[in-house]
Amino acid sequence: QSVLTQPPSASGTPGQRVTISCSGSSSNIGSNYVYWYQQLPGTAPKLLIYRNNQRPSGVPDRFSGSKSGTSASLAISGLRSEDEADYYCAAWDDSLSGFVVFGGGTKLTVL
Amino acid sequence: QVQLQESGPGLVKPSETLSLTCAVSGYSISSGYYWGWIRQPPGKGLEWIGSIYHSGSTYYNPSLKSRVTISVDTSKNQFSLKLSSVTAADTAVYYCARNQWLVTDAFDIWGQGTMVTVSS
Repeated sequence: QSVLTQPPSASGTPGQRVTISCSGSSSNIGSNYVYWYQQLPGTAPKLLIYRNNQRPSGVPDRFSGSKSGTSASLAISGLRSEDEADYYCAAWDDSLSGFVVFGGGTKLTVL
Repeated sequence: QVQLQESGPGLVKPSETLSLTCAVSGYSISSGYYWGWIRQPPGKGLEWIGSIYHSGSTYYNPSLKSRVTISVDTSKNQFSLKLSSVTAADTAVYYCARNQWLVTDAFDIWGQGTMVTVSS
């Protein structure tokens, strides 16, 4: 069972806007940055969003992140077939000596 | 550009120690950043194992801490993972990655991953 909670699946049609939620607690999302990763089938994860809402160079502005309290969201606008992938949220957790926690992942299907 | 490449045995026997190395090219580990290990069991999600700084300072996942050792060799520009007393539950793709700035930051560069199976 993952420390961060994500819906196991999400779907949308091309051109649509989809959001994926990530719920945590005061020791992780509530007090630290949230990150989002995209994992295409058979490949390593790729950083999509860092520090809640920042996009690395090369990531389209169709992808955006937000955070409020102990929850965060990833929004994908203008959905495209190549966006079909697994998406993971992550954050640092301040409990114990500190450690990285991941969400269980959300499988996005483009219908 | 910075590249990471994992290497090590693809098959490890139960109760033995899993050993992997991550070779870094395009950047000197001695210059900074934290470097980490993340694993993904087949069909499952990501799990952080731990991260290390070039000075040797480490952070470990509390659930694995008793079995994990991460070390760095700046002369070879690589860092390594040892996981002891492995079981079938340790079967996974193991990734090495670079923390963006601090250990609390995202992993911005990843290796391609290496599959490790624990079986007799």
